[in-house]
Amino acid sequence: DADVTQTPRNRITKTGKRIMLECSQTKGHDRMYWYRQDPGLGLQLIYYSFDVKDINKGEISDGYSVSRQAQAKFSLSLESAIPNQTALYFCATSAPKGTQYFGPGTRLLVL
Amino acid sequence: SQQGEEDPQALSIQEGENATMNCSYKTSINNLQWYRQNSGRGLVHLILIRSNEREKHSGRLRVTLDTSKKSSSLLITASRAADTASYFCATVSSGAGSYQLTFGKGTKLSVIP
Repeated sequence: DADVTQTPRNRITKTGKRIMLECSQTKGHDRMYWYRQDPGLGLQLIYYSFDVKDINKGEISDGYSVSRQAQAKFSLSLESAIPNQTALYFCATSAPKGTQYFGPGTRLLVL
Repeated sequence: SQQGEEDPQALSIQEGENATMNCSYKTSINNLQWYRQNSGRGLVHLILIRSNEREKHSGRLRVTLDTSKKSSSLLITASRAADTASYFCATVSSGAGSYQLTFGKGTKLSVIP
């Protein structure tokens, strides 16, 4: 089984809708991250969490919120989706200053 | 902001040739990592080099780090068609409380059979 899983893998939604992307991990890591990738670009950090009680904004947090329900679960919400949030979203986990382990990604299209 | 900047943006080579990708960064780092991404998929960690290391090998991969020039290179020897992917460098800043990887925009490598 994959160490980091994301659901859904693909999602099409309409402008103004609220959606949630979910991430689960079996690595036992405390640190979890949400990234966004636009075509031809690198990853931009949206939010990160060092443990269940810790949530921090990344580079591009506007329009997004997160919830760390447990050590193994970290969800990303778009409260009111807009077309420029169309992108590939990745969840990742890591040990401190170490390698990050990425999920397979969620492809989101906002119409 | 993206600290790591890869060069070239795209690289096309014949199978069997070596591929070299470069990465420059701006601030002091704790470590630098290289990742690979197949089209539309998650990133896979390739290698991590710490700031006090100058060179590291893993299979057909060779990574160098020059902290005085704030640059790193990734060499893939004897390339294969299966090496076709995008390659990203990412840095972890030095200093207490550093937390995140900062990614460059990547080099898209095409290996022609």
